[in-house]
Amino acid sequence: RKEVEQDPGPFNVPEGATVAFNCTYSNSASQSFFWYRQDCRKEPKLLMSVYSSGNEDGRFTAQLNRASQYISLLIRDSKLSDSATYLCVATRLYGGSQGNLIFGKGTKLSVKP
Amino acid sequence: DAGVIQSPRHEVTEMGQEVTLRCKPISGHNSLFWYRQTMMRGLELLIYFNNNVPIDDSGMPEDRFSAKMPNASFSTLKIQPSEPRDSAVYFCASTIFRGFENTEAFFGQGTRLTVV
Repeated sequence: RKEVEQDPGPFNVPEGATVAFNCTYSNSASQSFFWYRQDCRKEPKLLMSVYSSGNEDGRFTAQLNRASQYISLLIRDSKLSDSATYLCVATRLYGGSQGNLIFGKGTKLSVKP
Repeated sequence: DAGVIQSPRHEVTEMGQEVTLRCKPISGHNSLFWYRQTMMRGLELLIYFNNNVPIDDSGMPEDRFSAKMPNASFSTLKIQPSEPRDSAVYFCASTIFRGFENTEAFFGQGTRLTVV
Protein backbone atom coordinates (compact mmCIF):
# COMPACT_ATOMS: atom_id res chain seq x y z
CA ARG A 1 0.00 0.00 0.00
CA LYS A 2 1.35 3.43 -0.90
CA GLU A 3 1.99 5.79 1.99
CA VAL A 4 -0.35 8.43 0.61
CA GLU A 5 -3.03 7.58 -1.93
CA GLN A 6 -5.37 9.80 -3.88
CA ASP A 7 -7.85 9.35 -6.70
CA PRO A 8 -6.01 10.86 -9.68
CA GLY A 9 -9.20 12.08 -11.31
CA PRO A 10 -9.68 14.10 -13.39
CA PHE A 11 -12.67 15.65 -11.73
CA ASN A 12 -14.53 17.73 -14.32
CA VAL A 13 -17.09 19.99 -12.66
CA PRO A 14 -19.12 23.06 -13.68
CA GLU A 15 -18.53 26.42 -12.10
CA GLY A 16 -20.35 26.76 -8.80
CA ALA A 17 -20.26 23.05 -8.04
CA THR A 18 -19.09 21.53 -4.79
CA VAL A 19 -16.35 18.96 -5.12
CA ALA A 20 -14.66 16.74 -2.55
CA PHE A 21 -11.35 14.91 -2.63
CA ASN A 22 -10.27 12.15 -0.28
CA CYS A 23 -6.82 10.92 0.53
CA THR A 24 -5.71 7.95 2.62
CA TYR A 25 -2.43 7.53 4.47
CA SER A 26 -0.88 4.32 5.73
CA ASN A 27 1.32 5.45 8.62
CA SER A 28 -0.80 5.79 11.73
CA ALA A 29 2.03 7.71 13.39
CA SER A 30 1.83 10.56 10.89
CA GLN A 31 1.33 13.83 12.73
CA SER A 32 1.05 16.61 10.19
CA PHE A 33 -1.14 16.79 7.12
CA PHE A 34 -1.48 19.32 4.35
CA TRP A 35 -3.17 20.01 1.05
CA TYR A 36 -1.02 21.56 -1.65
CA ARG A 37 -2.09 22.97 -4.98
CA GLN A 38 -0.02 22.65 -8.13
CA ASP A 39 -0.70 24.53 -11.32
CA CYS A 40 0.55 23.20 -14.64
CA ARG A 41 4.34 23.46 -14.95
CA LYS A 42 4.62 25.23 -11.59
CA GLU A 43 5.85 24.25 -8.16
CA PRO A 44 3.42 22.97 -5.48
CA LYS A 45 2.17 25.59 -3.05
CA LEU A 46 0.47 25.16 0.30
CA LEU A 47 -3.31 25.41 0.14
CA MET A 48 -4.02 24.62 3.76
CA SER A 49 -2.87 22.62 6.74
CA VAL A 50 -5.21 19.98 8.10
CA TYR A 51 -5.95 20.04 11.81
CA SER A 52 -7.52 17.35 13.93
CA SER A 53 -10.55 19.51 14.57
CA GLY A 54 -11.00 20.32 10.90
CA ASN A 55 -10.45 23.74 9.45
CA GLU A 56 -12.02 26.08 6.96
CA ASP A 57 -10.56 28.80 4.79
CA GLY A 58 -13.18 30.56 2.73
CA ARG A 59 -14.59 28.08 0.23
CA PHE A 60 -12.17 25.36 1.30
CA THR A 61 -12.71 22.91 4.17
CA ALA A 62 -10.24 20.25 5.27
CA GLN A 63 -11.05 17.34 7.56
CA LEU A 64 -8.91 14.68 9.23
CA ASN A 65 -10.20 11.27 10.27
CA ARG A 66 -7.46 9.56 12.26
CA ALA A 67 -9.47 6.42 12.96
CA SER A 68 -9.89 5.71 9.25
CA GLN A 69 -6.62 7.38 8.28
CA TYR A 70 -7.96 9.71 5.66
CA ILE A 71 -8.09 13.40 5.03
CA SER A 72 -10.51 15.27 2.82
CA LEU A 73 -10.76 18.56 1.00
CA LEU A 74 -14.07 20.16 0.13
CA ILE A 75 -14.29 23.02 -2.34
CA ARG A 76 -17.56 24.92 -2.44
CA ASP A 77 -18.76 27.22 -5.21
CA SER A 78 -15.87 26.19 -7.43
CA LYS A 79 -14.28 28.78 -9.69
CA LEU A 80 -12.48 28.43 -13.00
CA SER A 81 -9.31 29.45 -11.16
CA ASP A 82 -9.60 26.38 -8.91
CA SER A 83 -8.53 24.22 -11.85
CA ALA A 84 -5.27 22.61 -10.74
CA THR A 85 -3.86 19.44 -9.25
CA TYR A 86 -4.41 19.01 -5.51
CA LEU A 87 -1.74 17.12 -3.59
CA CYS A 88 -2.30 15.44 -0.25
CA VAL A 89 0.66 15.34 2.15
CA ALA A 90 1.39 13.33 5.30
CA THR A 91 4.49 13.27 7.42
CA ARG A 92 6.71 10.23 7.88
CA LEU A 93 8.47 10.04 11.21
CA TYR A 94 11.77 8.40 12.09
CA GLY A 95 12.10 7.29 15.68
CA GLY A 96 9.41 9.79 16.55
CA SER A 97 11.68 12.74 16.09
CA GLN A 98 12.35 13.47 12.44
CA GLY A 99 9.73 14.57 9.97
CA ASN A 100 9.49 13.87 6.27
CA LEU A 101 6.83 14.99 3.83
CA ILE A 102 5.26 12.34 1.63
CA PHE A 103 3.07 13.51 -1.23
CA GLY A 104 0.24 11.72 -2.94
CA LYS A 105 0.22 11.71 -6.74
CA GLY A 106 -2.42 14.38 -6.82
CA THR A 107 -6.01 14.78 -7.92
CA LYS A 108 -6.62 16.82 -11.04
CA LEU A 109 -9.55 19.23 -10.96
CA SER A 110 -10.93 20.94 -14.03
CA VAL A 111 -13.66 23.52 -13.53
CA LYS A 112 -15.65 24.31 -16.68
CA PRO A 113 -17.75 27.40 -17.46
CA ASP B 1 13.12 36.47 1.60
CA ALA B 2 13.72 35.25 -1.94
CA GLY B 3 12.30 31.83 -1.23
CA VAL B 4 13.90 28.55 -2.24
CA ILE B 5 16.26 29.12 -5.13
CA GLN B 6 17.10 26.38 -7.60
CA SER B 7 19.50 26.43 -10.49
CA PRO B 8 19.54 25.89 -13.35
CA ARG B 9 15.88 26.26 -14.31
CA HIS B 10 16.38 24.15 -17.41
CA GLU B 11 19.07 21.67 -18.29
CA VAL B 12 19.48 19.70 -21.49
CA THR B 13 22.32 17.22 -21.52
CA GLU B 14 23.50 14.19 -23.40
CA MET B 15 23.28 10.71 -22.00
CA GLY B 16 26.34 9.84 -19.98
CA GLN B 17 27.10 13.38 -18.89
CA GLU B 18 27.21 14.50 -15.28
CA VAL B 19 24.43 16.80 -14.13
CA THR B 20 24.49 18.91 -10.96
CA LEU B 21 21.38 20.58 -9.63
CA ARG B 22 21.64 23.26 -6.96
CA CYS B 23 19.38 24.48 -4.21
CA LYS B 24 19.49 27.30 -1.70
CA PRO B 25 16.85 26.79 1.00
CA ILE B 26 15.09 29.55 2.90
CA SER B 27 17.27 30.98 5.63
CA GLY B 28 16.39 29.51 9.01
CA HIS B 29 14.79 26.35 7.63
CA ASN B 30 16.30 23.16 9.04
CA SER B 31 14.85 20.57 6.69
CA LEU B 32 15.46 20.19 2.98
CA PHE B 33 13.90 17.80 0.47
CA TRP B 34 14.70 16.82 -3.08
CA TYR B 35 11.77 15.55 -5.14
CA ARG B 36 11.43 14.34 -8.70
CA GLN B 37 8.20 14.73 -10.64
CA THR B 38 7.09 12.90 -13.77
CA MET B 39 3.66 12.39 -15.26
CA MET B 40 3.81 8.67 -14.61
CA ARG B 41 5.13 8.63 -11.06
CA GLY B 42 4.01 11.95 -9.64
CA LEU B 43 6.10 13.72 -7.00
CA GLU B 44 8.64 11.27 -5.59
CA LEU B 45 10.81 11.99 -2.57
CA LEU B 46 14.46 11.38 -3.36
CA ILE B 47 16.21 12.45 -0.19
CA TYR B 48 15.51 14.34 3.00
CA PHE B 49 18.02 16.31 5.09
CA ASN B 50 17.50 17.55 8.62
CA ASN B 51 20.10 19.94 10.05
CA ASN B 52 22.30 19.15 7.02
CA VAL B 53 22.28 15.41 7.78
CA PRO B 54 20.69 12.96 5.32
CA ILE B 55 17.86 11.27 7.22
CA ASP B 56 16.16 9.33 4.46
CA ASP B 57 17.70 8.57 1.07
CA SER B 58 15.57 5.53 0.33
CA GLY B 59 14.06 7.32 -2.66
CA MET B 60 17.36 7.80 -4.46
CA PRO B 61 16.94 5.61 -7.56
CA GLU B 62 20.41 4.14 -7.72
CA ASP B 63 24.09 4.82 -7.21
CA ARG B 64 24.13 7.25 -10.10
CA PHE B 65 22.33 9.73 -7.85
CA SER B 66 24.03 11.49 -4.97
CA ALA B 67 23.10 14.47 -2.82
CA LYS B 68 25.04 16.64 -0.44
CA MET B 69 24.28 19.42 1.98
CA PRO B 70 27.63 20.88 3.09
CA ASN B 71 25.97 23.69 5.05
CA ALA B 72 22.56 25.04 5.98
CA SER B 73 22.34 27.26 2.92
CA PHE B 74 23.26 24.97 0.05
CA SER B 75 22.50 21.54 -1.34
CA THR B 76 23.35 19.70 -4.55
CA LEU B 77 21.85 16.74 -6.35
CA LYS B 78 24.20 15.06 -8.77
CA ILE B 79 23.46 12.48 -11.45
CA GLN B 80 26.45 10.70 -12.94
CA PRO B 81 26.14 9.32 -15.55
CA SER B 82 22.79 10.69 -16.65
CA GLU B 83 20.29 8.59 -18.63
CA PRO B 84 17.20 9.53 -20.69
CA ARG B 85 14.91 8.05 -18.00
CA ASP B 86 16.22 10.68 -15.57
CA SER B 87 14.35 13.33 -17.54
CA ALA B 88 11.94 14.98 -15.11
CA VAL B 89 11.36 18.11 -13.08
CA TYR B 90 13.46 18.14 -9.93
CA PHE B 91 12.15 20.19 -7.01
CA CYS B 92 13.91 21.27 -3.88
CA ALA B 93 11.82 22.25 -0.86
CA SER B 94 12.61 23.49 2.63
CA THR B 95 10.71 23.69 5.88
CA ILE B 96 11.13 24.00 9.62
CA PHE B 97 10.73 20.81 11.57
CA ARG B 98 9.88 21.32 15.24
CA GLY B 99 9.53 18.19 17.32
CA PHE B 100 6.66 16.23 15.86
CA GLU B 101 5.36 18.84 13.48
CA ASN B 102 6.39 20.23 10.14
CA THR B 103 5.56 23.75 9.15
CA GLU B 104 4.71 24.64 5.55
CA ALA B 105 7.21 23.41 2.97
CA PHE B 106 8.23 25.94 0.35
CA PHE B 107 9.27 24.74 -3.05
CA GLY B 108 11.73 26.14 -5.51
CA GLN B 109 10.61 26.63 -9.08
CA GLY B 110 12.24 23.38 -10.10
CA THR B 111 14.85 22.29 -12.60
CA ARG B 112 13.48 20.78 -15.80
CA LEU B 113 16.03 18.17 -16.85
CA THR B 114 16.08 16.63 -20.29
CA VAL B 115 18.59 13.91 -21.06
CA VAL B 116 18.89 13.11 -24.75
